[in-house]
Amino acid sequence: EVQLVESGGGLVQPGRSLRLSCAASGFTFDDYAMHWVRQAPGKGLEWVSGISWNSGSIGYADSVKGRFTISRDNAKNSLYLQMNSLRAEDTALYYCAKALDYGDHPFDYWGQGTLVTVSS
Amino acid sequence: QPVLTQPTSLSASPGASARFTCTLRSGINVGTYRIYWYQQKPGSLPRYLLRYKSDSDKQQGSGVPSRFSGSKDASTNAGLLLISGLQSEDEADYYCAIWYSSTWVFGGGTKLTVL
Repeated sequence: EVQLVESGGGLVQPGRSLRLSCAASGFTFDDYAMHWVRQAPGKGLEWVSGISWNSGSIGYADSVKGRFTISRDNAKNSLYLQMNSLRAEDTALYYCAKALDYGDHPFDYWGQGTLVTVSS
Repeated sequence: QPVLTQPTSLSASPGASARFTCTLRSGINVGTYRIYWYQQKPGSLPRYLLRYKSDSDKQQGSGVPSRFSGSKDASTNAGLLLISGLQSEDEADYYCAIWYSSTWVFGGGTKLTVL
């Protein structure tokens, strides 16, 4: 059974940093692309970032480019999102999701999400 | 103007059909893109429903019933999600998405009420 378990969320002050993790199991992690998608409270889905199986392709939404860094450790079956210079508008539930490949392929499994609240 | 525009809400009766639209911004040709649809029930994770580009390039998500289908309306530059035989359990938010300029773009979502 595919499992994606996010962690690392919490309350953080504007301008500070936070690192999210996503632990994957139930599939061959290094065969798949991975993504972060967020959802602000009561709002819609917003893609944040994605990474190919070998980290050779990486992309970011304009809203986070230059502030967030995605990475993965295939030996640990883990995905990460380093979030710097956090803003109030980054407050959201952050999901990790897997995809068959990087690019034009759907997110077929989603984690439960980890909540990030940016507030003073 | 957003890349993808969806109506905020839609209402339909049990047993009827529902037609969701996802309109691409002027200048972005719907014929070029695969349109993806996701369902999110209240308090639940998003679920991948299907992908539609053409009748020869489409995909149903794992376990998604055939009463969910995709289409396009070139005249309005829109991707369509069609749900037939509506059930109360179909009440949810529905999001479209495309892979555009090497990023994923979601529509704002349409809330379906089954009443």
